[in-house]
Amino acid sequence: DIQMTQSPSTLSASVGDSVTITCRASESISTSLAWYRQKPGKAPKLLIYDATALESGVPSRFRGSGSGTDFTLTISSLQPDDFATYYCQQYYTRTFGPGTKVEIK
Amino acid sequence: EVQLVESGGGFVQPGGSLRLSCGAAGFTFSSYSMNWVRQAPGKGLEWISYIGTGGSTRYYADSVKGRFSISRDDAENSLYLQMNSLTADDTAVYYCARPRDLGIASPFDHWGQGTLVTVSS
Repeated sequence: DIQMTQSPSTLSASVGDSVTITCRASESISTSLAWYRQKPGKAPKLLIYDATALESGVPSRFRGSGSGTDFTLTISSLQPDDFATYYCQQYYTRTFGPGTKVEIK
Repeated sequence: EVQLVESGGGFVQPGGSLRLSCGAAGFTFSSYSMNWVRQAPGKGLEWISYIGTGGSTRYYADSVKGRFSISRDDAENSLYLQMNSLTADDTAVYYCARPRDLGIASPFDHWGQGTLVTVSS
C-alpha cells in the first residue's frame, strides 16, 4: 500500500504570510497527487490536482509542485479563509495524508 | 449543478449493521465511478471504498474489507454502503465523493455533506 505523510502537522501563521506544506509518498506516484482544504464541519474542497494543476475557481495564491514521491503546496499571502486543514491524496489507490492544520498565530 | 446527498447515518450498537445511501443529481451518474470516504471525530480523511462504472469493479480499504459492501443503482442515481459488524472505530462522518474525471484514477471534485454514523452501546 502507498503511504502518505505530511509535514508539519500544525503550522501557525498570520494573514499575508506565505506557507508551504510538504507531502511525501512511500513510492513513486508520478504526478497523481491532489491537495484539499477542509474547514471544520465541511466537506473537503479540491484545490490542486495532477500535482500542479489549479482546480477551476481556486485562487492563484495556491500553488502545487513536485513529482515522484515529494510534493509541496504553497499558499502565498494567506487569507482568513485559508485557516483550515489541508490534505494531500494520491489517487492511484486513493490514500490521504494525515493532514496539516494551518492556524492563526 | 452537481449534488450528492448522503443519508442513513445514525446510532447503532457494536456488531450492528447500517446502510448508507448517496443520491446523485446534476450529472450522468452512470458514467462516473464513485467513492466513500470517512472521517472519525477530530481525525483525518480515510478513503474506504470505490465502485467503478457498471458496478463490477470494487475496492475496499483494509480497515473495512469483508465487513462493508459498496453498490450502486444507476437507474436510481444512487450509491450505497452496506456496513456490517460495526465497531466503535467505525464512528465517523461518511462522505460520498465523485471523481473529477472519468477513469479509474482521479481526485474527488464533488463531495456530499456527509452523514454521521455513531457506533456505541
